Amino acid sequence: QVQLVQSGAEVKKPGASVKISCKASGFTFATYYMHWVRQAPGQGLEWMGVINPTGDGKSYAQRFQGRVTMTRDTSTSTVYMEVSSLRSEDTAVYYCARDLLDFWGQGTLVTVSS
Amino acid sequence: DVVMTQSPLSLSVTLGQPASISCRSSQSLVYSDGNTYLNWFQQRPGQSPRRLIYKVSNWDSGVPDRFSGSGSGTDFTLKISRVEAEDVGVYYCMQGTHWPYTFGQGTKLEIK
Repeated sequence: QVQLVQSGAEVKKPGASVKISCKASGFTFATYYMHWVRQAPGQGLEWMGVINPTGDGKSYAQRFQGRVTMTRDTSTSTVYMEVSSLRSEDTAVYYCARDLLDFWGQGTLVTVSS
Repeated sequence: DVVMTQSPLSLSVTLGQPASISCRSSQSLVYSDGNTYLNWFQQRPGQSPRRLIYKVSNWDSGVPDRFSGSGSGTDFTLKISRVEAEDVGVYYCMQGTHWPYTFGQGTKLEIK
């Protein structure tokens, strides 16, 4: 069965970076786009971006351009997202999701606090 | 960016009664391939979102048939024919036609 298992919760200071992983299983990872979506506490869902199957094509939401980097490793069926220059407003649960958002990871809470 | 506007933002429904959520987009969601990439998601308390409906009216695997999606162009609806206790949560529409993908604000469904 399709599974997306994300890395554990993180606590970071403002200005730091965080890299979250999402390990896929149960499907042919190398043929799927992968998305990232975040959800601030008590708020709605916000699409952050997508990486293509080969990892050489990415599209980020304008507000994250320059601060977000998505990568993937086909050998381990893992997709990564790094967010830099963290600020308190980046405190959120970050989700990975398979193409067309048909399957989601369990979420990774990132807390940014001094 | 395409703005997705849901209404109502909260819904209190008696068990066994119907519920309906509207979602409107600021521009047409018909893609160049003829498909309309409008999805509906359910997020139960403390859980990850789950896709219920894709391309306006197609059920995802395991979704009860009391859920249905309809609409076209810029105007879409999610209907629950008979609300059950397990339907409590927040429902989001999302367009996947135009980048960036965008979500509606969410509609919170509770049991009266």
